[in-house]
Amino acid sequence: EAGVAQSPRYKIIEKRQSVAFWCNPISGHATLYWYQQILGQGPKLLIQFQNNGVVDDSQLPKDRFSAERLKGVDSTLKIQPAKLEDSAVYLCASSLDNPGQRFYEQYFGPGTRLTVT
Amino acid sequence: GEDVEQSLFLSVREGDSSVINCTYTDSSSTYLYWYKQEPGAGLQLLTYIFSNMDMKQDQRLTVLLNKKDKHLSLRIADTQTGDSAIYFCAENRRSSNTGKLIFGQGTTLQVKP
Repeated sequence: EAGVAQSPRYKIIEKRQSVAFWCNPISGHATLYWYQQILGQGPKLLIQFQNNGVVDDSQLPKDRFSAERLKGVDSTLKIQPAKLEDSAVYLCASSLDNPGQRFYEQYFGPGTRLTVT
Repeated sequence: GEDVEQSLFLSVREGDSSVINCTYTDSSSTYLYWYKQEPGAGLQLLTYIFSNMDMKQDQRLTVLLNKKDKHLSLRIADTQTGDSAIYFCAENRRSSNTGKLIFGQGTTLQVKP
């Protein structure tokens, strides 16, 4: 079974530029998560999708971050414009289950390492 | 507080046992998890424990849960150099009706040969 795919693996941009990350979850997984992991910290949830609907985006900085999951499969996360503090690893994860269940096994992709200079 | 907390670093010798500790915040959290992250890789679920359990064993891994103190630990027996990684504990709070996980900041485990 193929895992969660992410691209690109690395990206270096200047502040105020735009960037987009792509995620392809495991086939059949209804739930997709985007996490931000700043160096030395644990992952922090940015947004969660159930199929193509948003379940939780309470920690997404909506003035500059946006995400979509068209057709309930692939997802893109965009930052526009980027700030220095956006330098982090952006992790995508997916899970098979539905909200309301209590056990969530999330499968993580390798992440995209973003450096903003 | 609001944070899941872990000690930042642990160094052990190969063959010794490792114990990684975590304190979480929500006494009503239903599941608690341990994830492993190797350099340049995503997170891999190692094990989990349901909140009505106080211990779970899985091969070399033993998870202990003290709900009264909101303390979770992961013991790795016969630690190997391949166990060197960052270990994260995470909780799924009952107040969250979704799969949202709250992670600690991670414990770096260094295994010396």
